[in-house]
Order: sequence, then structure tokens, then C-alpha cells
Amino acid sequence: GQSLEQPSEVTAVEGAIVQINCTYQTSGFYGLSWYQQHDGGAPTFLSYNGLDGLEETGRFSSFLSRSDSYGYLLLQELQMKDSASYFCASNYGGSQGNLIFGKGTKLSVKP
Amino acid sequence: EADIYQTPRYLVIGTGKKITLECSQTMGHDKMYWYQQDPGMELHLIHYSYGVNSTEKGDLSSESTVSRIRTEHFPLTLESARPSHTSQYLCASSEYISDRGIDGYTFGSGTRLTVV
Repeated sequence: GQSLEQPSEVTAVEGAIVQINCTYQTSGFYGLSWYQQHDGGAPTFLSYNGLDGLEETGRFSSFLSRSDSYGYLLLQELQMKDSASYFCASNYGGSQGNLIFGKGTKLSVKP
Repeated sequence: EADIYQTPRYLVIGTGKKITLECSQTMGHDKMYWYQQDPGMELHLIHYSYGVNSTEKGDLSSESTVSRIRTEHFPLTLESARPSHTSQYLCASSEYISDRGIDGYTFGSGTRLTVV
């Protein structure tokens, strides 16, 4: 089946750097997206990797290695407002396939 | 500014009641989705639609049903609510984004349903 695995919780301090890993099953996999969801809020799109390598968007970067079936989200200069859940996801089945999510990683940023 | 609207935001209802969760989008997207999410857990796809009069079941079995009579409207109905239906229900729509090469999703803020 289709599944994406990521750690359930990560804790870091303000100003630090944190990396959230995601491993996935390759069957039907089509690129890796990252979404942020604050408690009680809607998931919002952060980043997408269609090809191997690093994508940078401000303080957030995302990386994909298809040969390792692995990707990560890197958050730099952490701020309190970054405390949220982060989900990796893939459009399994193709570029317009349905979005399937990992279990999510809850990031807690401490002062 | 929300382009996809879900009502109600919160709902507490008794067992056996019929309920309809509303979802509307103003973006003209053909594709719409319902995801179910328990607190602190992943989002599970329960229904999707690729256009008017098109509905399909998702990866997670659900006793709910959906309809798609208008492009902008994708309501979800539970004929007889049970405590096991207590969860958050998130509606989304998507369109192909050429810069990314994939469908980009927009989510509503969700309906938090409690069945007592």
C-alpha cells in the first residue's frame, strides 16, 4: 500500500535548526509535499520536491532522495509560531493523484 | 481569506441523528475531497470527486456519503451518527499547478464533530 513514515514528535528551542524526516513506499510515489497545520487549523502547503535535491523557501527547505526513498523538511531560525504539526504527503498515482499523508510530526518550539 | 468554507465549525450531536457537513469553494476547482483526522493523527481520505456527478470512496472506509450536484458544493452526510464518528472532517479542493507539476490542494478549516 501507500504509506509515508515520519517521527511523531520533535522538540527544539527558538533560533535552532530542526530536521523532520519522511520515508515512503515507492509504489505509485509521485513527489513529496510538506504541509503545516496549527492546532485547530487547516493544513497549508509549504514545499514540494518533484526531483532529487534541495528546495529552499525562506527559512524552510525540503530535500528528496528517490534512491533512498527519503526526504526531509528543514526549519531554520525556529520561531515560537513554528510550533505546529508537519505532514509529508505525496500525490500517489501521478501528478494529479490523490494526496496521501504521513502521520504528522508535532513540533514544539521552546523559548 | 478563505476560498473554501466549511460549516459548522463545531458540532455536538446525539447518537442516531442525521447530519450534513457543508463544504463550498469559490475557486471553480473540479476536484474536491473529504479527509477525516483524529486529534494528533494523519489525514485519511474518505471521499473524493473529480467533477459534478462524480463521487468515489477514498482509502479509509467511511459510513458517510457525499454528493456533487454543483461544482462549488460537496456536502458530506451521516445518516445515523455514532460515537465512533467523532473526529475532525476536513474538506479540500485542488487544481493542477504547472509551476509545481502537481495538483495543489487548498483545505478548509474543518468541522470538529462530537457524537454523544
